[in-house]
Amino acid sequence: SYVLTQPPSVSVAPGQTARITCGGNNIGSKSVHWYQQKPGQAPVQVVYDDSDRPSGIPERFSGSNSGNTATLTISRVEAGDEADYYCQVWDSSSDHYVFGTGTKVTVL
Amino acid sequence: QVQLQESGPGLVKASETLSLTCTVSGGSISSYYWTWIRQPAGKGLEWIGRIYPTGSTNYNPSLKSRVTMSVDTSKNQFSLNVNSVTAADTAVYYCARAPSWNYGRFDYWGQGTLVTVSS
Repeated sequence: SYVLTQPPSVSVAPGQTARITCGGNNIGSKSVHWYQQKPGQAPVQVVYDDSDRPSGIPERFSGSNSGNTATLTISRVEAGDEADYYCQVWDSSSDHYVFGTGTKVTVL
Repeated sequence: QVQLQESGPGLVKASETLSLTCTVSGGSISSYYWTWIRQPAGKGLEWIGRIYPTGSTNYNPSLKSRVTMSVDTSKNQFSLNVNSVTAADTAVYYCARAPSWNYGRFDYWGQGTLVTVSS
């Protein structure tokens, strides 16, 4: 089955840039979606189709996808960005959804 | 504004069947895939399965033998049954929506409901 691998944690100072990677075999050929989950809350989509943002999501959130790695970039990080982040794809070869292992972003 | 709300027992005995319903308000259940996702405490997200209003389903292979999903378009609801539950099925269960024209992503989620399996 298809596997998505994320770093367990990323730490970043306020105002700096956080980059969260999502590794998968030839992930560049798939559409990658990213979700933010704060403690006790449901996930919220922050990026879809590699780099598009849903309405209401700040421009500070951006995404890219190429080769074997997709990346979520959070610019000018704020304290409110502290959360778990998950990447996700639809694996057409098996007809099911796959989530990444999740990354905890800590704002120092 | 579309809203999804999970409902069902918060406590289920081991070996019995977990049953949850997701009620969709503020929009039609048509033209979307409806999905169940779960998250054990302190762990990541696990996709359980999805259903289309026609009744067509896809299930996670790891759960397929124990999972059944159904949909009631007249009530704007869809449901999940997981049989022969164990402590490993204890989790927060979310329902979510995926547009049929871009079914790879989940654009709306319910708030989640905690289901505990007791021995």
